[in-house]
Amino acid sequence: EVQLVESGGGLVQPGGSLRLSCAASGMTFSNYWMSWVRQAPGKGLDWVANINLDGTEENYVDTVKGRYTISRDNAKNSLYLQMNSLRAEDTALYYCARYPRFAGANNAFDIWGQGTMVTVSS
Amino acid sequence: EIVLTQSPATLSLSPGERAALSCRASQSVRSYLAWYQQKPGQAPRLLIYDASNRATGIPARFSGSGSGTDFTLTISSLEPEDFAVYYCQQRYSWPLTFGGGTKVEIK
Repeated sequence: EVQLVESGGGLVQPGGSLRLSCAASGMTFSNYWMSWVRQAPGKGLDWVANINLDGTEENYVDTVKGRYTISRDNAKNSLYLQMNSLRAEDTALYYCARYPRFAGANNAFDIWGQGTMVTVSS
Repeated sequence: EIVLTQSPATLSLSPGERAALSCRASQSVRSYLAWYQQKPGQAPRLLIYDASNRATGIPARFSGSGSGTDFTLTISSLEPEDFAVYYCQQRYSWPLTFGGGTKVEIK
């Protein structure tokens, strides 16, 4: 069974930092683009960042550019999100999602973790 | 940034009825649109990709149509487990964007 398990969320003060992790299993991790998607409490879904197969290409939504860094370790089947200079508006449930991006694939967020909650508050 | 507008915000229907959910893009996304279902306390689930292709394991009562700027997710006959929030999402250009969601609730 393909599974994604996020960790690393918590309560952090404005301006602080946090590193999220996502452990993948049941799939060949290095074959897939990966993503972070967040959902503020009671709100909709917002894509945050994507990373390509070998970590050489990253894409971010403008609101986190320069503050967040997505990375991966294919040897450890793990995805990461380093979040710096956190703001109250970054408070959300952060999902790790698989994003197959190749010919013949669904090219959509086809597998999701259960999310890890990040709360930015003093 | 491509803005996706979903309507209606809430759809009140009874089990067995047909549901039609709309997603309109601020510019053409060709057929690069997906639909997701989210139930309370759960992660989203991929239903439809590239406008009309059902994802693995998705029942045939779910169908997607449209291209360009206007898309529809149809649930032919609502089952009790289909009452949830539905989101559309485009992959035509960065940033990837989602619509605001349509809640399908029991009437």
